[in-house]
Order: sequence, then C-alpha cells, then structure tokens
Amino acid sequence: QKEVEQDPGPLSVPEGAIVSLNCTYSNSAFQYFMWYRQYSRKGPELLMYTYSSGNKEDGRFTAQVDKSSKYISLFIRDSQPSDSATYLCATSSGGSYIPTFGRGTSLIVHP
Amino acid sequence: EAQVTQNPRYLITVTGKKLTVTCSQNMNHEYMSWYRQDPGLGLRQIYYSMNVEVTDKGDVPEGYKVSRKEKRNFPLILESPSPNQTSLYFCASSLMGRGQETQYFGPGTRLLVL
Repeated sequence: QKEVEQDPGPLSVPEGAIVSLNCTYSNSAFQYFMWYRQYSRKGPELLMYTYSSGNKEDGRFTAQVDKSSKYISLFIRDSQPSDSATYLCATSSGGSYIPTFGRGTSLIVHP
Repeated sequence: EAQVTQNPRYLITVTGKKLTVTCSQNMNHEYMSWYRQDPGLGLRQIYYSMNVEVTDKGDVPEGYKVSRKEKRNFPLILESPSPNQTSLYFCASSLMGRGQETQYFGPGTRLLVL
C-alpha cells in the first residue's frame, strides 16, 4: 500500500463549483502536510502548507487535516477554469526531510 | 524574481553516456533537492542537500550522484544512464528544509535514455 493515496481523477466540475480534493495517508508520524498545484509541462507550485491537524485558509483555498482519520483535504471555492491543473498532496514526518507525495488528482474546471 | 533554473530542459541520450543536469537558485536557500516524476508513481525524491557539502539520499538514489559545492547550485549527475532513468526531473529549493514551507520548483528536465 502506498503511504499516500490520492485518486488520480480526472475530476471535472463547472465553473463556480466548490471543489474537494482528498488524500489519505498511512503513517501516523506524518506531521507536515502540503498541497501543490502543477500545470501541464510546469513544475509543482506550493499552494498550502499546514502543520498537524486543523484548517488553514488562503483566499479561495482551504486545507484541512484530520490526523485521527489520516485524511487531508483541499477545498477550492468559486472554482475557475484557471484552476484546471493536477493537484498533489504531500506529507512528511518531523524527523524527515523526505516528503511523500500522492500521485496527484487532475482537475478540470469547464466554463 | 525568485527562481530555480534547470538545464537542459530536454535531453535525449544513450545508455551509459554520462550526463549532468544543472540546477541553480537565486534565493539563498539552504535546502535543495531533486525529484523524478513518473506516470502512476508521482514525485519521488532522489537526493537532498541541507547546505554546502551536506547531501543525503532520498527515496530513489540508485544510479544518481549529486554535489553541493556552492549554495546556489545543486547538479544531478547520471554517470551511466539507463533506460529506466527516463523521466521528468525537478529540482527544488526552500528556506527551511522541514516541511518545505517556502519551496520553489524548477521548470523540469525531460530526459529520454535510449
């Protein structure tokens, strides 16, 4: 079993929809949780970074971590066609400098 | 402008011919790392470096070498490339290694080994 599981999609939604992207992880030692956005033929771009459990909001993006169920989520409000990309979740433990990535979810926001 | 640059962006080579992919950052970051991205496998870390002359293995270091002689540069060396090293490679840097909270990725190097 991969340590971080992420549905590859694609997830197709209409413009303006609320998008929910999710990952599950198996290692309870993971304490740092990241979401990246990757446009086609580009490098990943760090979107959200959270430590331990809880929510973090940045504009239209909200990251949520539930350590009890080992579940991490990224919500995108008022989705736009420009949000169409692959979204990668990643985690790492406090003693490790090696992040573990999910395989990414492809999101398509159609006008 | 904060930037991580990689060269070359595209490379076709043959098995066994040594190659180097360069990576440079202009943000004075201590932490730099290399990843490969393969379909169905996602991003996997190859090597990382906490500072000059300090490097360590990531998840998939076999067949790769790195060096960190200057803070801004972190080249990836394939001494004897093989077809299973055909992949998309990314260099990244960050101010704090733990959590990668200020991480920037380069644009990627697409490598094909024949």
